[in-house]
Amino acid sequence: DAGITQSPRHKVTETGTPVTLRCHQTENHRYMYWYRQDPGHGLRLIHYSYGVKDTDKGEVSDGYSVSRSKTEDFLLTLESATSSQTSVYFCAISEGLGRGRENNQPQHFGDGTRLSIL
Amino acid sequence: GEDVEQSLFLSVREGDSSVINCTYTDSSSTYLYWYKQEPGAGLQLLTYIFSNMDMKQDQRLTVLLNKKDKHLSLRIADTQTGDSAIYFCAERPGNTPLVFGKGTRLSVIA
Repeated sequence: DAGITQSPRHKVTETGTPVTLRCHQTENHRYMYWYRQDPGHGLRLIHYSYGVKDTDKGEVSDGYSVSRSKTEDFLLTLESATSSQTSVYFCAISEGLGRGRENNQPQHFGDGTRLSIL
Repeated sequence: GEDVEQSLFLSVREGDSSVINCTYTDSSSTYLYWYKQEPGAGLQLLTYIFSNMDMKQDQRLTVLLNKKDKHLSLRIADTQTGDSAIYFCAERPGNTPLVFGKGTRLSVIA
């Protein structure tokens, strides 16, 4: 298994509170991603990073922010959680072989964080 | 935007072959992927195929690619109860992150 650790694995919190999810990798891969998985929607990309301090928005980025201050960690923050952000969140990594944003390597996933917002 | 389509459910008997189908939209996708998700777990990469290939075989798994119709399929031979899971098809349009289908839930009946 790829060395990806997501924390926490489960969290229950209240609407309006800030929440930060952490993804830690030991593979020294360049690319990191945050997805959410919801019934009927499959996986949807929230944000991704193509290097330290280099991030970009995905399909469902509203209400989320990310930070990547070092290669091994990618943080996802919900500034003020809402019930619609109740979901399972997956982190993924991939090895970039090209310049800039080129990346033709498969993504490997963590085990997910189940987040419930009441 | 890109949209990857899969049927949502498939039920097969143990020992039969399973075929999971997928259509993708972007002809520039150079790689196409199949992932498996077991209950409570993350996605596990099963296999992937380069767009200049028609077929790839890996033990019980066979991937077929029809670029003209943008159709991808995953065949699992001699399906076992341990193959019960959700299977995701994914494409990589250009140099972007993977775009996933909604997943096909495979149920294997003993």
